[in-house]
Amino acid sequence: EADIYQTPRYLVIGTGKKITLECSQTMGHDKMYWYQQDPGMELHLIHYSYGVNSTEKGDLSSESTVSRIRTEHFPLTLESARPSHTSQYLCASTTGSTEAFFGQGTRLTVV
Amino acid sequence: AQKVTQAQTEISVVEKEDVTLDCVYETRDTTYYLFWYKQPPSGELVFLIRRNSFDEQNEISGRYSWNFQKSTSSFNFTITASQVVDSAVYFCALSGSYNQGGKLIFGQGTELSVKP
Repeated sequence: EADIYQTPRYLVIGTGKKITLECSQTMGHDKMYWYQQDPGMELHLIHYSYGVNSTEKGDLSSESTVSRIRTEHFPLTLESARPSHTSQYLCASTTGSTEAFFGQGTRLTVV
Repeated sequence: AQKVTQAQTEISVVEKEDVTLDCVYETRDTTYYLFWYKQPPSGELVFLIRRNSFDEQNEISGRYSWNFQKSTSSFNFTITASQVVDSAVYFCALSGSYNQGGKLIFGQGTELSVKP
């Protein structure tokens, strides 16, 4: 069983609020990823990190930002939430030589 | 550019039927990796299988089997004797040689509904 955790699982928040989605893994993986999944849609990579102090934008443009200060922690922040940010956000990690392990996701609703 | 196509958006079967989920991919890499993930209603992605481009052997795991054919760029997934618990969205995904497991290109997903 994968040891990667996301909090909160569900979040309903008002427009303009700042939010941080948490992702932590206890497997010591260097590589971590954030995917965005709109309802009924495929997943798109929005951010990734290959190690501490390394972050890159993914294929899908996103207004969110990420940080990687510790190997095990890869939080995603939205400075000012909007209804268009309503989506599911999935965090994943891997050593690079194995498959990616995914967290349970955060379902974000911005009202 | 890399691309994964799952042409079947939704499939509905009756329990105990066999069902095949199609996956076609495009890539210019000579080394690449293909994956299948299951997403139950709870939302997490559950890893099912990884196959690298040099291994065209078919694989069977219990009721699940996978048919990888480089000649047709396909990596199809068959569930034998389907069960209600198989109901989920199934994603096929592709990654290049360097990224191997994490930087994935996903297909659109196939929603499988198994009715009792």
